[in-house]
Amino acid sequence: EADIYQTPRYLVIGTGKKITLECSQTMGHDKMYWYQQDPGMELHLIHYSYGVNSTEKGDLSSESTVSRIRTEHFPLTLESARPSHTSQYLCASRPEGNTGELFFGEGSRLTVL
Amino acid sequence: EDQVTQSPEALRLQEGESSSLNCSYTVSGLRGLFWYRQDPGKGPEFLFTLYSAGEEKEKERLKATLTKKESFLHITAPKPEDSATYLCAVQKPQAGTALIFGKGTTLSVSS
Repeated sequence: EADIYQTPRYLVIGTGKKITLECSQTMGHDKMYWYQQDPGMELHLIHYSYGVNSTEKGDLSSESTVSRIRTEHFPLTLESARPSHTSQYLCASRPEGNTGELFFGEGSRLTVL
Repeated sequence: EDQVTQSPEALRLQEGESSSLNCSYTVSGLRGLFWYRQDPGKGPEFLFTLYSAGEEKEKERLKATLTKKESFLHITAPKPEDSATYLCAVQKPQAGTALIFGKGTTLSVSS
């Protein structure tokens, strides 16, 4: 069973608010990822990290930012939420090697009114 | 452009009615093709990795196969608990890069 946790699971917030989606894993994985998923659509990579102090933007342009100060923690922040940010955000981590096996959290569903 | 296309988008089966899901891909220098299962409101769960054409992997009622241009996920005698969205993903040649996912096939199995 994967040990990767996301909070909050659900969040409804007003436009203009700052939010942080938390992601923590206890498996010691260096590689971590944030994906965005809308209903019926594919997962799109928005941020990734190869380890502490490493962060990169993914293929999908996003107004969010991430940080990686500790191996186990990879939070995602939106400085000013807008309705277009309404989506499911999935955090994942990956062990060393090249298996491609990602361990996903259960996701944070964000609704911006 | 690297792309993953899954078909059909949705599939309804009766319990015990075997079928296959398709994943076609265009990516230069494939380093692996992956199948995941996603239940509603949950994150995807890893099923299989396939690396080279001709390779097959099995797990319970599921068998994944790979050719040079596509992969199939065969479901033999499915049960209602197999109902989920099945996602296909590919990995690009650069080491450490993330996966490119398809939109998935939503499978519903009724008893």
